[in-house]
Amino acid sequence: EAGVAQSPRYKIIEKRQSVAFWCNPISGHATLYWYQQILGQGPKLLIQFQNNGVVDDSQLPKDRFSAERLKGVDSTLKIQPAKLEDSAVYLCASSLEWGTGELFFGEGSRLTVL
Amino acid sequence: AQSVTQLGSHVSVSEGALVLLRCNYSSSVPPYLFWYVQYPNQGLQLLLKYTSAATLVKGINGFEAEFKKSETSFHLTKPSAHMSDAAEYFCAVSDSGFGNEKLTFGTGTRLTIIP
Repeated sequence: EAGVAQSPRYKIIEKRQSVAFWCNPISGHATLYWYQQILGQGPKLLIQFQNNGVVDDSQLPKDRFSAERLKGVDSTLKIQPAKLEDSAVYLCASSLEWGTGELFFGEGSRLTVL
Repeated sequence: AQSVTQLGSHVSVSEGALVLLRCNYSSSVPPYLFWYVQYPNQGLQLLLKYTSAATLVKGINGFEAEFKKSETSFHLTKPSAHMSDAAEYFCAVSDSGFGNEKLTFGTGTRLTIIP
């Protein structure tokens, strides 16, 4: 079974530039999450999708972050314009809709904003 | 909102010694609790989960955790540490239980194994 795929693995940009991350969840997983993991901290949920609908985006900085999940499969997370404090690893995870409480994580996309 | 607190951001143990990683939770309802492990340059993976069926939960790689309601704790243990256990460990709580697996993570504990 293929795992959660994310790209790019690493990205370095200047502040005020834009960046996009892509995620392809495990086949059949209806729920998709984006987490932000800042160095030295635990992952923080940014947005949760159920199929292609948003379940929770209460912690997403909507003035600069956006995310979509077209057709209920893969997803993109965009940051525009980026700030220094956006430097972090962006983790994508997926789970079954009514499952075991287990999230499957990708390897993450590490963003450095200079 | 539910939360977890992990005591000790870094823990070092000798190979073969007991591993004990601490996690305390805050919840107004019966919680669903998890331990995840993150090896270097890899994504998080589930070690074990508490489902309320049994207070002592066994996970992969010889790890186990005990749910203690009176102490609001869910500490992770392993009787004998192995070099391959070196990783970062995260305790997490589910906001609404199974069917809505939105997890709130602790700040993590980095485990170092001394040869």
